[in-house]
Amino acid sequence: DAGITQSPRHKVTETGTPVTLRCHQTENHRYMYWYRQDPGHGLRLIHYSYGVKDTDKGEVSDGYSVSRSKTEDFLLTLESATSSQTSVYFCAIKQGVGQPQHFGDGTRLSIL
Amino acid sequence: RKEVEQDPGPFNVPEGATVAFNCTYSNSASQSFFWYRQDCRKEPKLLMSVYSSGNEDGRFTAQLNRASQYISLLIRDSKLSDSATYLCVVSPITQGGSEKLVFGKGTKLTVNP
Repeated sequence: DAGITQSPRHKVTETGTPVTLRCHQTENHRYMYWYRQDPGHGLRLIHYSYGVKDTDKGEVSDGYSVSRSKTEDFLLTLESATSSQTSVYFCAIKQGVGQPQHFGDGTRLSIL
Repeated sequence: RKEVEQDPGPFNVPEGATVAFNCTYSNSASQSFFWYRQDCRKEPKLLMSVYSSGNEDGRFTAQLNRASQYISLLIRDSKLSDSATYLCVVSPITQGGSEKLVFGKGTKLTVNP
């Protein structure tokens, strides 16, 4: 399996609190991605990174920010969590153009 | 038209059956194609890449039809362990160094004893 670790694996928090999810890779891959997955919507891209300090928005980026200060870590932050952000979050990495993505185990986030 | 469309199913088949999934994509400039499987409450895992000439991996065969903009996955001699959701994935042409994969919503397969 690809060396991808997501933390935490589960989190329950309250509306209005900040939340940071971490994705750590040991593969030295260039590309990293954050998705959320909800019933009826499939996987939706939140943000992605194509290099250190190079990030861009996906289709559902509102309410989320990211940072990538080094190759191995990609952080997803919910500045002020809302109940609509309750979801399963997946991180993925990709080595290069035309290559498939490999996913982490996911983080189950509940916002009460 | 959605970027990637799949029949959501569910497909219910008996063990040993042959089942086929199709997927259509809208961006004719798409370069790379993949099939993933996802088990309930698990992460998506790469099943196979799809090559222009078609490719086979054991009981699984993938085909690409660029003219009609669809890809297919054929599963022969279905096993109980094949029960999962199958995701069609397409990669548009790279722009400015960035690259995003586009995922279909998936087709759910249940193989029954």
